Amino acid sequence: SQTIHQWPATLVQPVGSPLSLECTVEGTSNPNLYWYRQAAGRGLQLLFYSVGIGQISSEVPQNLSASRPQDRQFILSSKKLLLSDSGFYLCAWSRGESYNSPLHFGNGTRLTVT
Amino acid sequence: AQSVTQLDSHVSVSEGTPVLLRCNYSSSYSPSLFWYVQHPNKGLQLLLKYTSAATLVKGINGFEAEFKKSETSFHLTKPSAHMSDAAEYFCVVTLYGGSQGNLIFGKGTKLSVKP
Repeated sequence: SQTIHQWPATLVQPVGSPLSLECTVEGTSNPNLYWYRQAAGRGLQLLFYSVGIGQISSEVPQNLSASRPQDRQFILSSKKLLLSDSGFYLCAWSRGESYNSPLHFGNGTRLTVT
Repeated sequence: AQSVTQLDSHVSVSEGTPVLLRCNYSSSYSPSLFWYVQHPNKGLQLLLKYTSAATLVKGINGFEAEFKKSETSFHLTKPSAHMSDAAEYFCVVTLYGGSQGNLIFGKGTKLSVKP
């Protein structure tokens, strides 16, 4: 069966510090990978998605970047965090062969920028 | 353009009573529709999905949803609420022909269950 791992679960970082959140998927090949952010009262916002190694699409201009160094690894980064980067970050995967395949989410990372 | 509207931001029911969470969609094409549940500080879990097969879709934990094209609705129901159903629920529609990034999430409905 497929599993998705996301870490850390919680993170408190000062403004201006770097960020690296990691997500890995097991049990499937060539998944589509996603990073979402969920801010209080604002629903889910798609940040990045990837259909293959090195292929990243950005949905919203922002202070963040994403990379996919391996087929089942997806990393969310920032060089300098802003207060507005606080939120709940969710990684997800879906099967690559069908546009209507459901998303499978990790347990999320609660990021607080102080 | 495709969109999804969850008509209630908060629904409160008593344990053992029926649950109805409403979702309306707008789509130029036959959509794929999903319901997800999110417990506090957890990721979203797929409850059920509709992908143009049977219009009545059964999901996990006793939930089901009915696709009604004439009403452009995909409401989520459960005959009898349990305390463990207290969570936030999201209705999602996919964009036909779009890239894999084109999912539209509703703003969520928070379900409270009173003992």
